[in-house]
Amino acid sequence: AQSVTQPDIHITVSEGASLELRCNYSYGATPYLFWYVQSPGQGLQLLLKYFSGDTLVQGIKGFEAEFKRSQSSFNLRKPSVHWSDAAEYFCAVGSGGGADGLTFGKGTHLIIQP
Amino acid sequence: GAVVSQHPSWVICKSGTSVKIECRSLDFQATTMFWYRQFPKQSLMLMATSNEGSKATYEQGVEKDKFLINHASLTLSTLTVTSAHPEDSSFYICSALSGTVNYGYTFGSGTRLTVV
Repeated sequence: AQSVTQPDIHITVSEGASLELRCNYSYGATPYLFWYVQSPGQGLQLLLKYFSGDTLVQGIKGFEAEFKRSQSSFNLRKPSVHWSDAAEYFCAVGSGGGADGLTFGKGTHLIIQP
Repeated sequence: GAVVSQHPSWVICKSGTSVKIECRSLDFQATTMFWYRQFPKQSLMLMATSNEGSKATYEQGVEKDKFLINHASLTLSTLTVTSAHPEDSSFYICSALSGTVNYGYTFGSGTRLTVV
């Protein structure tokens, strides 16, 4: 069975500083990997996704993520965070074909300090 | 881009009653829709997968007689929580998939259900 681990429950970053959110997955085949952001009481917005090809994926809002098969990781990064980036971030893994839905990590709550 | 509309955004109901949540794909046909449940400050847990015109597939531990899912058309899936109890209070989110996973999963804005 597939699983996703986000080891950091909370992360606090100063505005303007760089950010890296960690994600490790467990999946037998080539995974389909996603990062979503959720504001309080809202649905999920897709930041970026990886299926194949270039292992460095660019997303919206200045985010990027790098797929490292050897480390089973898909960490999310942003060079300079803004106060509006404060939210809950979820890493997710899906199977090929999309028939089985997504398995989510527990999420990382990002706090931005002024 | 793909848009999924979920309605209502919040609902309060009395114990023992039923409540229906709608999930609509507005600008694409969703062959597959998914229903998730999210407890406060926790992750999303997949409840069931619905395919248009067929019975939903429920995840282990999800009561299919309590959480009725209907996917009658390519743009609409509904989740009905029957005989609701306070422990059913949660945030329910639907997701729609168009064609293949390469299009990504589009999520609705969620429904906050409170059973009193």
